[in-house]
Amino acid sequence: DGGITQSPKYLFRKEGQNVTLSCEQNLNHDAMYWYRQDPGQGLRLIYYSQIVNDFQKGDIAEGYSVSREKKESFPLTVTSAQKNPTAFYLCASSRRFYSNQPQHFGDGTRLSIL
Amino acid sequence: AQRVTQPEKLLSVFKGAPVELKCNYSYSGSPELFWYVQYSRQRLQLLLRHISRESIKGFTADLNKGETSFHLKKPFAQEEDSAMYYCALRDENNDMRFGAGTRLTVKP
Repeated sequence: DGGITQSPKYLFRKEGQNVTLSCEQNLNHDAMYWYRQDPGQGLRLIYYSQIVNDFQKGDIAEGYSVSREKKESFPLTVTSAQKNPTAFYLCASSRRFYSNQPQHFGDGTRLSIL
Repeated sequence: AQRVTQPEKLLSVFKGAPVELKCNYSYSGSPELFWYVQYSRQRLQLLLRHISRESIKGFTADLNKGETSFHLKKPFAQEEDSAMYYCALRDENNDMRFGAGTRLTVKP
């Protein structure tokens, strides 16, 4: 079955440490997205990629970095510059960028600070 | 594990007609339910949350725990309501699950 796989499901970060969240899709989708979800708030867009080797900042990109070296992979790095990284992170993909095609969502990664 | 089901991939209504987008969930705890919308060429955005009990753009949704449903309704659909709609559930661990989405088309 095609889908999106996020790993790990739970991740812990020490102060000053960078961590990378994995997102892989085998749907042959061009576009991929990273969202952050905090209690009491809706999803907020961190970064997105319209096509391989391209990515753009979303609404809350500070303290995060991404890469899109392969079509199926869009890892998100939470850097030490992100002062409040504790959140639920959701990866999504769609056939084309913000097209009429639906977004497919992963199961999420929960990041916590030790 | 919690699951969100949107049984209709596509839904088409005429302008002025009532519309209902179905959402069913399975979760043993106390969920928080959301509806998100994505208009053409725009970002995903939050439409409404069940705890707010609000009406946004004429849409309402009532959480029915007995039927484990959170259907989105609007009495008179407008052409600008055409979009992808996603139902989502947040569990007590703050993990979120999304449905597969329903594409609503409102015809003139």
